[in-house]
Formats: sequence, C-alpha cells, structure tokens
Amino acid sequence: AQKITQTQPGMFVQEKEAVTLDCTYDTSDPSYGLFWYKQPSSGEMIFLIYQGSYDQQNATEGRYSLNFQKARKSANLVISASQLGDSAMYFCAMREGIQGGSEKLVFGKGTKLTVNP
Amino acid sequence: EPEVTQTPSHQVTQMGQEVILRCVPISNHLYFYWYRQILGQKVEFLVSFYNNEISEKSEIFDDQFSVERPDGSNFTLKIRSTKLEDSAMYFCASTPRASQGSETQYFGPGTRLLVL
Repeated sequence: AQKITQTQPGMFVQEKEAVTLDCTYDTSDPSYGLFWYKQPSSGEMIFLIYQGSYDQQNATEGRYSLNFQKARKSANLVISASQLGDSAMYFCAMREGIQGGSEKLVFGKGTKLTVNP
Repeated sequence: EPEVTQTPSHQVTQMGQEVILRCVPISNHLYFYWYRQILGQKVEFLVSFYNNEISEKSEIFDDQFSVERPDGSNFTLKIRSTKLEDSAMYFCASTPRASQGSETQYFGPGTRLLVL
C-alpha cells in the first residue's frame, strides 16, 4: 500500500486565488510528521511546511497552511493568493516514528501546479 | 542563510564507470541523507548517515553504493559500476538532529546523473 497518496497529478489555479493540494497518508505509528516540499522546474527541493501528528493546531507558514485531518489521515496543503512563481511540483512526505524511529522521508508522487495569469 | 550544496550539478558517465557525488551539508547538522528521483517519478530514500556510520538504508542501496564522510564537511555518495537505471537526480539532505519532532530535512539542489 502507498504510504503517501497524492491523487491530483496536475492542478490549475488563477493567479491570486487559493488552491488546495491533496495528500492522504497511511501509517499505524501514532508518532509521525508530515512535510510539504516544492520542486520548481530547476529541480531543487524547497521545504514549505511541517505538521506533527501530536500538533493541536494546523500549521501555517505565510501563504501556506496545512489542513490536517487526523481521523481522515489527510494533510492537504492550502496555498492562498497564488502567484505565478508558485507554479511547480509539490510533494507531500511523511516521516514515521518521529520519537525514535525511522529517519527517512517517504514521498508521494507529487502534484504539478500551474498558476495562470 | 546556510544551505546544502552539491557538486557537480550535472554528471554524464559511461555505463560501468564509477561516479562520486559530493555534498556539503549545513555546518551544524548531524544527520545526512541521500535520496534519488528518477525522471518523472517520486523522490526515493537511499540512505541515512550519522556519527560516521549508516543508520538506515533502503533496498535500493545495494553493494554498488557507498557513502563516506571523508572530512568534517563533505559527504559523498559513490556508485560503483554505474548502470543505465542509475540515471536520476540525486539529492543530499541534512538535519540538525534526528527524531525531535519537526526536524526538517533540508535538501541540496541535486546532481543530475546521466548514465550512457
């Protein structure tokens, strides 16, 4: 079974509008962390936002927020006021056992976001 | 702002040759990682490294791969006898410490390896 599922291969959004990128995850570990990374066409991986499984509030970082629904095992990324520079691949990733377990990140297949002017 | 650096940015090699990919992690970081991303696919974990030894590796990280921290700053990935299927983007990442909640792995810009 896939640990991280991103069901949207591609998404389009108009500049200045908000967009939600979906991510669901599968783990039986009660302690885990969820990450979103942005990969522009140049190829680098840029960290955007983190949500811990025990965090009570949804994470926010500037225009990025994470809609964390633990019971549904979803961690959707919301980008507000989209900009042309937001056009990129977006990857959701998980690290299980954050309190003493594996250190590896497991990535989803990504969503390609295109922001239209 | 400190960042992870990787050299070279691109490498072309012949099948069967050895390649060494180099990374300089962020200076106060203790855990180091290699990931790879085959073109158009998701990022896959290869290996993690702490205190001068491998702490975790994936099934991809077989005997043709090795990692080393030859000095206090560099972290290298060696691929012996490269295969066509080793063509990918290779990312180095580092984190200050492990298993402390939100310790983000910061990625370098990647080395794009092409095996002909």
